[in-house]
Amino acid sequence: GESVGLHLPTLSVQEGDNSIINCAYSNSASDYFIWYKQESGKGPQFIIDIRSNMDKRQGQRVTVLLNKTVKHLSLQIAATQPGDSAVYFCAETPSSNTGKLIFGQGTTLQVKP
Amino acid sequence: EADIYQTPRYLVIGTGKKITLECSQTMGHDKMYWYQQDPGMELHLIHYSYGVNSTEKGDLSSESTVSRIRTEHFPLTLESARPSHTSQYLCASSHPGGAPPEGQFFGPGTRLTVL
Repeated sequence: GESVGLHLPTLSVQEGDNSIINCAYSNSASDYFIWYKQESGKGPQFIIDIRSNMDKRQGQRVTVLLNKTVKHLSLQIAATQPGDSAVYFCAETPSSNTGKLIFGQGTTLQVKP
Repeated sequence: EADIYQTPRYLVIGTGKKITLECSQTMGHDKMYWYQQDPGMELHLIHYSYGVNSTEKGDLSSESTVSRIRTEHFPLTLESARPSHTSQYLCASSHPGGAPPEGQFFGPGTRLTVL
């Protein structure tokens, strides 16, 4: 079946360093991808999205890269801060545009002071 | 910030009780969703709705039921709670036009514990 996975369950970085969180997806027909951040005790919060006709999109301190050839998605966080500590999920939506999302397993980002 | 609300935030209840988890959004979104999430794990879609009087089962089988009588309200009901229902339940809604560009907005979740 369809699935979206993340390579590492936990990533530990030093405050001020850049973080890279990876995600592999399996549905080549997916045309829209989203990164969510989930802090403890809260619902997921939208960070950034990207369509399949793009390979890079930048936001404030975050960049999403999409490699459709190898079905890989990554989230880069510049100058990681303690407030970035959370679980990060990638999600994809098939081209059927149902609005349904398929979530990956999540990577816990720990920022060391 | 998205205006989507869930109550209660935490619920501890005994086996066999009937419970209803509330979800409301004030954004006028047609599409609403319920996810189940175990601690630290991915979200699994259990129900969704494309509008009033529209409800569908999600990818993960669930004994819960939902209703959509009003656009802004999407409650989830468990007729007889069991310990296996212990989990976090997240409600979400999305832009009427579909997944892009905003994706789904999530409520804070209800953490359910069934003893």
